[in-house]
Amino acid sequence: DSGVTQTPKHLITATGQRVTLRCSPRSGDLSVYWYQQSLDQGLQFLIQYYNGEERAKGNILERFSAQQFPDLHSELNLSSLELGDSALYFCASSVGTRSELFFGSGTQLSVL
Amino acid sequence: QQPVQSPQAVILREGEDAVINCSSSKALYSVHWYRQKHGEAPVFLMILLKGGEQKGHEKISASFNEKKQQSSLYLTASQLSYSGTYFCGTPYSGNTPLVFGKGTRLSVIA
Repeated sequence: DSGVTQTPKHLITATGQRVTLRCSPRSGDLSVYWYQQSLDQGLQFLIQYYNGEERAKGNILERFSAQQFPDLHSELNLSSLELGDSALYFCASSVGTRSELFFGSGTQLSVL
Repeated sequence: QQPVQSPQAVILREGEDAVINCSSSKALYSVHWYRQKHGEAPVFLMILLKGGEQKGHEKISASFNEKKQQSSLYLTASQLSYSGTYFCGTPYSGNTPLVFGKGTRLSVIA
């Protein structure tokens, strides 16, 4: 158990819908990262928050947004969903910005 | 741009050795290695912070050559439990999030 909690584990929805993925980092970790994993692309970095502020952006679509709350949990919002958004979404946390990452168990999103 | 891993996949018999390579066309400040078992989350193995530094954990070790912009992961006397996909990741510019390679799928068979 990494100490990072992600909910829900599975999400099935339809095209055009909006979903919210939730992540609680390990106690004491200030950095939260979101990664998308699909079969042919590996782990793609989406966005990072550090102590409530956006720190870095990767290949995140404009339809996607995220935030980190004062209690350090984070949410990833995906809207106007398309079939191609189906993937495994991981949240990871770390103490600082150069430390090892601890990954949650992921949310498997299926867009039908 | 992401680091390039090779091979993409490898099958080993128990007790055999394997090497997984990670190379980059850009300078590497550090290299992280993770293993992901099927249906599970990636798990941290080690960080390599200095050029030429080798780190190890039991029978899994790694090297990092800054000049060649590459890292290699060495698995010796492989066990069934080593099966999984191995990812290297690098922050590219010191303080940035990790960019991962596409992974190397390792299968160890009895």
